Amino acid sequence: DADVTQTPRNRITKTGKRIMLECSQTKGHDRMYWYRQDPGLGLRLIYYSFDVKDINKGEISDGYSVSRQAQAKFSLSLESAIPNQTALYFCATSGSFGNQPQHFGDGTRLSIL
Amino acid sequence: GENVEQHPSTLSVQEGDSAVIKCTYSDSASNYFPWYKQELGKRPQLIIDIRSNVGEKKDQRIAVTLNKTAKHFSLHITETQPEDSAVYFCAATSDTGFQKLVFGTGTRLLVSP
Repeated sequence: DADVTQTPRNRITKTGKRIMLECSQTKGHDRMYWYRQDPGLGLRLIYYSFDVKDINKGEISDGYSVSRQAQAKFSLSLESAIPNQTALYFCATSGSFGNQPQHFGDGTRLSIL
Repeated sequence: GENVEQHPSTLSVQEGDSAVIKCTYSDSASNYFPWYKQELGKRPQLIIDIRSNVGEKKDQRIAVTLNKTAKHFSLHITETQPEDSAVYFCAATSDTGFQKLVFGTGTRLLVSP
């Protein structure tokens, strides 16, 4: 089945470390997104990408960077992790024309000590 | 920018009862309103969506209504079952340039047998 795959699923690391979360998809979608989920705050957009040459900041991009290596791959990096970046991170994809449903990966649970 | 408010934050019902979750949005240009269900430890999954050119949409036990004048939309679940227990998120976006979903903060629905 076409899907959205995130790696790793869980990660525990220390303050100041550089971390990369990876997302790959087999849906053939051009649009990809990174969200952060915190209890009581819903899902908040970090970065999004039209296509390989397009990167855009979302609502909460400070402290994060992304790379769109290919149509199917979109990575999220924390250059120097801090404890308040502890959260559940989701990657999502959608089609390109008009408003299309977004399809989510299984998430990465990140804990920063 | 868009702001989406969702109520209630928690909802407990008996099996067989109906459940209603309400959301309001701020941007009159928003024209696409999806609803996602997230079971514990799982990814958010689209359960129904509505576009601004219709006022109501149904899919078996689930329905969504939209009032553009009042800028609110609601999810209705009839004949609730224990497997409906989950967190439900509403979201809103416009198609002006790019689809940036803004999510509500979620409603935890508990259906007791």
